[in-house]
Amino acid sequence: DVKVTQSSRYLVKRTGEKVFLECVQDMDHENMFWYRQDPGLGLRLIYFSYDVKMKEKGDIPEGYSVSREKKERFSLILESASTNQTSMYLCASSLSSGLPRGTEAFFGQGTRLTVV
Amino acid sequence: AQTVTQSQPEMSVQEAETVTLSCTYDTSESDYYLFWYKQPPSRQMILVIRQEAYKQQNATENRFSVNFQKAAKSFSLKISDSQLGDAAMYFCAYWRGSRLTFGEGTQLTVNP
Repeated sequence: DVKVTQSSRYLVKRTGEKVFLECVQDMDHENMFWYRQDPGLGLRLIYFSYDVKMKEKGDIPEGYSVSREKKERFSLILESASTNQTSMYLCASSLSSGLPRGTEAFFGQGTRLTVV
Repeated sequence: AQTVTQSQPEMSVQEAETVTLSCTYDTSESDYYLFWYKQPPSRQMILVIRQEAYKQQNATENRFSVNFQKAAKSFSLKISDSQLGDAAMYFCAYWRGSRLTFGEGTQLTVNP
């Protein structure tokens, strides 16, 4: 079974801190994603990566950056955490699209980040 | 950018009854994938059903089926014989290239 592991389930940080959220997948997937989930807004794409060192902005990249130095690891960085970044963060991975049978995204268990 | 819209923030159904969750999307592409994901209170996202846009036949997975209307850009999920374990947040999602876009979600309550 595919496993996507996020480093923390709950996290509390102070305003202005630099925050790292880590995500590791064990199935050699090309694509990795970071979403934030807020009530009434669903899952909004922050960044995604389709290969090592490759990244693209999603719909809400402001205030975030990412790093993908190895295929299995995709890190989300909050350079200077703010209270409006309090949210649930979900990481996902998948094979690249276009393969027979299509593909699906596999998700981590989520990190609930509170910025105080 | 593609958008996915779920117009029902909340739905409820009686156990053993049938419920339909709605989803519409906007795209100019002809080849893409659509998904329904379920998120129970555990927060773990679980794939419920997948539809390839080039297939005209509606996908089914046991009690779950979809009504895929490509021209109307509509992708609804029907849950038959609803069970208490079906209670969850349901998300519709659109996939094209390496980008996966989700709707706002529908919270489904199953009443005993």
